[in-house]
Amino acid sequence: GENVEQHPSTLSVQEGDSAVIKCTYSDSASNYFPWYKQELGKRPQLIIDIRSNVGEKKDQRIAVTLNKTAKHFSLHITETQPEDSAVYFCAAIFRGGGADGLTFGKGTHLIIQP
Amino acid sequence: EADIYQTPRYLVIGTGKKITLECSQTMGHDKMYWYQQDPGMELHLIHYSYGVNSTEKGDLSSESTVSRIRTEHFPLTLESARPSHTSQYLCASSSDRGGEKLFFGSGTQLSVL
Repeated sequence: GENVEQHPSTLSVQEGDSAVIKCTYSDSASNYFPWYKQELGKRPQLIIDIRSNVGEKKDQRIAVTLNKTAKHFSLHITETQPEDSAVYFCAAIFRGGGADGLTFGKGTHLIIQP
Repeated sequence: EADIYQTPRYLVIGTGKKITLECSQTMGHDKMYWYQQDPGMELHLIHYSYGVNSTEKGDLSSESTVSRIRTEHFPLTLESARPSHTSQYLCASSSDRGGEKLFFGSGTQLSVL
C-alpha cells in the first residue's frame, strides 16, 4: 500500500549545527506535505507545510524542500537550539485532500546536544 | 480561546471496564479525528468524522467506537478495555477549507491493568 518513509529515526546534532530530516512518498498524486513537531509530553503541532506547486518554503530557521521527481521532501533546521529537541513527523496526503487522507512517517527523534 | 480539549489527561483502569474519552473543540471545525500513538511513535488514525452524524473508521483497526451528535463533541468509547488498549489517544480537528491542517488536543494517556 501507500506509505511515507522517514529517516533517520534518531538524529543527534550539536547545538548551533543544522539538522536535516528526509521523507519519501510513493504516490505521485500527493500534493500536500506537512511537518509536525511533538515535544515530550505535548501535542503534535504543525510547524511548516508545502504544496506540490512549490519547491521550497522557509520560516525563520526552518525550511522544507520538495523534489517531486524523486518523490521526497526534507525538513531543514538551521542554528539548532535546545528547544528544537522533539519528535518530528512528516506526512503526505494521498486521497485527494482532507486530513483523513494524511499518512504520517514514523517520526524522527531530534536530540540537540549542548 | 479556540482550542481542542481532551479529558481525562491520564486514566488508569482495570481490564473489562467501559470507558469514554472526551474530546471537545471550540475551533469551529467540522472535521474531527482520533489518533492512537505509543510514546514518541507514529500516529495511527483510528476514527474520523466529517460532521454531525458522520463517523468513519481509520487505517488502524480499533475496537473503540465514536459518535458525533454535536459538531464540537467527538467522544471515543471502549466497551471493554484490555491491556492491549494501553496507549495515548489524540483527538484532532481540521477546518472545512482544504482540511489538511490538523489541530491536536493534549491527549489522553490510557493505561489498562
